[in-house]
Amino acid sequence: ELKVEQNPLFLSMQEGKNYTIYCNYSTTSDRLYWYRQDPGKSLESLFVLLSNGAVKQEGRLMASLDTKARLSTLHITAAVHDLSATYFCAVAGNMLTFGGGTRLMVKP
Amino acid sequence: GAGVSQTPSNKVTEKGKYVELRCDPISGHTALYWYRQSLGQGPEFLIYFQGTGAADDSGLPNDRFFAVRPEGSVSTLKIQRTERGDSAVYLCASSLNGGGVTDTQYFGPGTRLTVL
Repeated sequence: ELKVEQNPLFLSMQEGKNYTIYCNYSTTSDRLYWYRQDPGKSLESLFVLLSNGAVKQEGRLMASLDTKARLSTLHITAAVHDLSATYFCAVAGNMLTFGGGTRLMVKP
Repeated sequence: GAGVSQTPSNKVTEKGKYVELRCDPISGHTALYWYRQSLGQGPEFLIYFQGTGAADDSGLPNDRFFAVRPEGSVSTLKIQRTERGDSAVYLCASSLNGGGVTDTQYFGPGTRLTVL
């Protein structure tokens, strides 16, 4: 059974700081996704990572994948308040298996 | 439409009642997925359709849950004899061809089900 674990579960940061969210998974997969969810809203796709060493960047967010370590990271650079949301990683088979989410709060 | 739509957005029902939740996928998407998200948790897979057929229903928790997609587009998730533990947000997603290397699932806004 595929298990996906994220940490931390909750992250409170000051604006301008950097931080990394970690996503570990238990079995091999050829795709890993990162989604963002705002309170009361659905999930917005941020990144899809397809191969070992893949790195994708969008604005202040950068995601990477190490398939050998079964680890993906989501790095936040110089956080701003608008990044406050819950971030999920999801590992793909026929369906997606999600981590428990990281609730990010960026304080002014 | 431009995205995945779900109706109703909220549903309040009493224990023991029957409910139906509807999902309209993105036009042309052959794959459709249902997930359930409890408060403070990540979505959990329920069932996956490829076209009209259920390709994987291993996530359905018990036989009170059933889903159909008779024409390969709209899908309905049906829950019989609802229980309080069924309360959650039910999310629908669709993807272009279900599992291709670059296939991304696009999620609808969800239906919040509350069983009293």
